[in-house]
Amino acid sequence: EAGVVQSPRYKIIEKKQPVAFWCNPISGHNTLYWYRQNLGQGPELLIRYENEEAVDDSQLPKDRFSAERLKGVDSTLKIQPAELGDSAVYLCASSALGLAGFGELFFGEGSRLTVL
Amino acid sequence: SQQGEEDPQALSIQEGENATMNCSYKTSINNLQWYRQNSGRGLVHLILIRSNEREKHSGRLRVTLDTSKKSSSLLITASRAADTASYFCAINTGANSKLTFGKGITLSVRP
Repeated sequence: EAGVVQSPRYKIIEKKQPVAFWCNPISGHNTLYWYRQNLGQGPELLIRYENEEAVDDSQLPKDRFSAERLKGVDSTLKIQPAELGDSAVYLCASSALGLAGFGELFFGEGSRLTVL
Repeated sequence: SQQGEEDPQALSIQEGENATMNCSYKTSINNLQWYRQNSGRGLVHLILIRSNEREKHSGRLRVTLDTSKKSSSLLITASRAADTASYFCAINTGANSKLTFGKGITLSVRP
């Protein structure tokens, strides 16, 4: 069974440029998460989807970040325009259980963003 | 804060020794989970312990949970060089099962 797939693995951009990350969760997993991980820190939740619905986006900086999961499967996270402080690893995760579930999260390898 | 706090921040041991890592939290939880992250990789789930459980084992891993003290510990027995990684505790809280990660513990196992 394929795991969570993310692309690109690495991205280097100039500040003020746009960038997009893509995630394909494990087949059948309805719940999808985007986390941001700064160097030496734990992952911080940006947004959580249950199927197509964003059920928790309270930590997403909505002035420059956007996300979508149109068909309830794969998802895209966009930053426009990027700032120096956005340099981080963007992790996608999925799980099989919904809002009332207690399940484990399966993570992708992450997309490392460097903003110059 | 709903974040778990791990202790110590860094741990260095000799291969074959046991490694004990601790996590404390401040709120009621549904469960507590431990994850491992190798350098430059994604996180991998290790073990989940529910709020009504006190101890759980998985291979060389032993997790305990004390809800009265709001703390958990992860014990890795007979450590190996391959156990070198960062370890995170994550607490699952609320009716919507929000999972919040701590800052992590860096474990180095010397061959």
